[in-house]
Amino acid sequence: AQKVTQAQTEISVVEKEDVTLDCVYETRDTTYYLFWYKQPPSGELVFLIRRNSFDEQNEISGRYSWNFQKSTSSFNFTITASQVVDSAVYFCALSEAYTGRRALTFGSGTRLQVQP
Amino acid sequence: DTAVSQTPKYLVTQMGNDKSIKCEQNLGHDTMYWYKQDSKKFLKIMFSYNNKELIINETVPNRFSPKSPDKAHLNLHINSLELGDSAVYFCASSQALPGNGNTIYFGEGSWLTVV
Repeated sequence: AQKVTQAQTEISVVEKEDVTLDCVYETRDTTYYLFWYKQPPSGELVFLIRRNSFDEQNEISGRYSWNFQKSTSSFNFTITASQVVDSAVYFCALSEAYTGRRALTFGSGTRLQVQP
Repeated sequence: DTAVSQTPKYLVTQMGNDKSIKCEQNLGHDTMYWYKQDSKKFLKIMFSYNNKELIINETVPNRFSPKSPDKAHLNLHINSLELGDSAVYFCASSQALPGNGNTIYFGEGSWLTVV
């Protein structure tokens, strides 16, 4: 069965610090997709990135970067030089091509507080 | 233009009432969902429709009934509301099933409070 674990419940950093949010997943499928979503205090869920299981290249988008490692079943998210606007709950999610193909399974989320 | 819109955004109602939350997407997607987010922020799938066909019906009380009049709409009706139904309900859509690598886009959420 698919499972996503975000062990960090809450992280607090000071502005301009770098922070990494961990995500570990479990799946029996060889083809799967990993996602990150952001939920700011206003409550909406914002899509950040999608990665497929065959693409282990790290991705960078501005201050955001993602490190996908199949060997450790991890898909970690790093924010460089954090800003107050980064304060949000971040969710990692997984969908499987075969077994659990019909919906996303979410981790429990990591609340990031960036202090000025 | 909002891609996935749901109404109402806030709903406060008494126990025992029946209420509906409406959802519409203008993305031309084939698949729509209802997710529930509890007070601990945990997100769980409730229902999913693909081309108006119900494909996911998780362990949800049968007081909850989704209705999809067409591919662009997925409404959620809740009968006999209970205190435990208080949560944020998210509507979402994707081009096709997420197992094909499709991204799911969410609405802004509907905050339901049962008193």
